[in-house]
Amino acid sequence: GQNIDQPTEMTATEGAIVQINCTYQTSGFNGLFWYQQHAGEAPTFLSYNVLDGLEEKGRFSSFLSRSKGYSYLLLKELQMKDSASYLCAVLDSNYQLIWGAGTKLIIKP
Amino acid sequence: ETGVTQTPRHLVMGMTNKKSLKCEQHLGHNAMYWYKQSAKKPLELMFVYSLEERVENNSVPSRFSPECPNSSHLFLHLHTLQPEDSALYLCASSQVTAGSYNEQFFGPGTRLTVL
Repeated sequence: GQNIDQPTEMTATEGAIVQINCTYQTSGFNGLFWYQQHAGEAPTFLSYNVLDGLEEKGRFSSFLSRSKGYSYLLLKELQMKDSASYLCAVLDSNYQLIWGAGTKLIIKP
Repeated sequence: ETGVTQTPRHLVMGMTNKKSLKCEQHLGHNAMYWYKQSAKKPLELMFVYSLEERVENNSVPSRFSPECPNSSHLFLHLHTLQPEDSALYLCASSQVTAGSYNEQFFGPGTRLTVL
C-alpha cells in the first residue's frame, strides 16, 4: 500500500530552527508537496519538490531525496505565527495526491 | 470573491436530514476536489472532477453524492449521514494539464457535525 509518515507533533522555541521530516512509500513519484494549515483554516501551499536537493523560499526550505523516499521542511527564525499543522503529500504515478496525517508544530516563546 | 469559497462554514444535522455543501472557485481552474479531514488522519480524497468528468472513488459511501454543474461550482449532497461522518469537508481546485500538475488551492472548509 501507499504510505506517508510524518511526526504527529513537534515543539520548538521562537527564533529557533525546526526540521519536519516526511518519509513515503508510493507507487511511483511525480513530486512532493508541503502545505501549511492553521487551526480552522484552509491548507495553503508552501513548496513543491520533484528533483533531489534543497529548495529555499525565504525562511522555509524543503529538501527531497527520491532514492531514500525522504523529504524535510526546514523552518528558520521561527515566529509564533508558524504554529500550525504541516502536511506532506506525494503525487503518485497516477497523479493522485497521497497525504500524510500532518505534523502539528507548537511554537513556545 | 477570490480563491475558493465554501458555504456553509458550519453545519449541524440529524441523521435523517438532507443537506448540501457548496463550493465555488474563482481561479479559472479545470479540476475540483472534495476532501474529508478527520482529526489526526490524512486528508481523504472523496471525489475529483477533472475537465468536468468525475473520477469515481469506490470507497465513499453512497450517502455522499457530488454534483459539478460547471467548472466553477461543486456541490456535495448529504443524506442519512452517520455520526462518524462528522469532520471538516474541504473543497479544492487546481489547473490540470497533460503530463503536469499544479498545486491545489483549498477553501476554508465546512465543519460538519452529525447528531
